[in-house]
Amino acid sequence: KTQVEQSPQSLVVRQGENCVLQCNYSVTPDNHLRWFKQDTGKGLVSLTVLVHENDKTSNGRYSATLDKDAKHSTLHITATLLDDTATYICVVGDRGSALGRLHFGAGTQLIVIP
Amino acid sequence: DMKVTQMPRYLIKRMGENVLLECGQDMSHETMYWYRQDPGLGLQLIYISYDVDSNSEGDIPKGYRVSRKKREHFSLILDSAKTNQTSVYFCASSLRGGQSDYTFGSGTRLLVI
Repeated sequence: KTQVEQSPQSLVVRQGENCVLQCNYSVTPDNHLRWFKQDTGKGLVSLTVLVHENDKTSNGRYSATLDKDAKHSTLHITATLLDDTATYICVVGDRGSALGRLHFGAGTQLIVIP
Repeated sequence: DMKVTQMPRYLIKRMGENVLLECGQDMSHETMYWYRQDPGLGLQLIYISYDVDSNSEGDIPKGYRVSRKKREHFSLILDSAKTNQTSVYFCASSLRGGQSDYTFGSGTRLLVI
């Protein structure tokens, strides 16, 4: 059973526009949540990690929020660039130690067009 | 430059052949992972290694085994590959898992025919 659902599955935006990616999960316990970027044919690169209830993080043009009560996270990308074209993957960790598991969403494929 | 290196990048094998996927990291990370990624699915954990000779099954270990004889090296072995093992395999490492940073390799694309 899928425990991490991402929406939309795919998204096309024009360069310079903003976009919002959603992540809903049912993982329990939910120790932390990460957003990764995966360029085509490449590995995953961590963008941000959220740990606490109502956490907000910012990493350049990427910002993220976490609502643990609602088990929901959003990733905002402002002023998109062509290089933002990638798959964005939401991952929920169920523990704070190596004994925990990471639960991966299937990703949102973002395409930025000129 | 901190990184996880996977070899080979691409591999084609016949059903029934043995497959060796190799992964190395230069960060002295304790914990290493093997995942597979299939279209439309999230990454699935095959095996996790907490340190040398300290390996545990993940969620889909059947048909796979691993070897970790040095901290910086973690191998995934498919004895008698099957067509349903066609996938992209990712190795990752982490200092201690949990909230620690994770570093992923670029993946090995395996086709079993």
